[in-house]
Amino acid sequence: EADIYQTPRYLVIGTGKKITLECSQTMGHDKMYWYQQDPGMELHLIHYSYGVNSTEKGDLSSESTVSRIRTEHFPLTLESARPSHTSQYLCASSTQGDTEAFFGQGTRLTVV
Amino acid sequence: KNQVEQSPQSLIILEGKNCTLQCNYTVSPFSNLRWYKQDTGRGPVSLTIMTFSENTKSNGRYTATLDADTKQSSLHITASQLSDSASYICVVTGAGTYKYIFGTGTRLKVLA
Repeated sequence: EADIYQTPRYLVIGTGKKITLECSQTMGHDKMYWYQQDPGMELHLIHYSYGVNSTEKGDLSSESTVSRIRTEHFPLTLESARPSHTSQYLCASSTQGDTEAFFGQGTRLTVV
Repeated sequence: KNQVEQSPQSLIILEGKNCTLQCNYTVSPFSNLRWYKQDTGRGPVSLTIMTFSENTKSNGRYTATLDADTKQSSLHITASQLSDSASYICVVTGAGTYKYIFGTGTRLKVLA
């Protein structure tokens, strides 16, 4: 069982609201990732971090932002949610050796 | 063009039967290949991980094979169970990169 947690699991909010999706891991992993996945589609990397104070944008352009102030936390923020942000967001972490990536359960976001 | 292609897209089998899922990739240079199982609405869970020097790896009823020369991998599921119904995702990591390249997955449905 992976020790990586995402909250909330489900979120329905109105357009224009600011939201933060939480991701925490207790494995001491340096690398953390955020992926976006639409139903039946592959995962797309939107943000990643190599460690504290390190954040980079991924392959898929996203209006969200992330921060990495502590090793164990990697929150994702949308300043003004839109219906186009409706998707599943998956957080993952891995060791520097990159032999294993552990995923959280995901947050299913619906913007109405 | 996706660098990791999976087939079939979807598959329906009867409980107790075996099945084989395919993954072809063009990622080069290659570091490792993972198979993940993703239940609907959940995060992916790792089944196996193989480096270029490994040809086969088993995890219970799941057996993965890798041919690094032809850039092909397969996941064989033996004596399928209803709980095997999920998406199975092939993920390839290039050497010297942080990036996981995800396939689109094979959606497996096991019927009683």
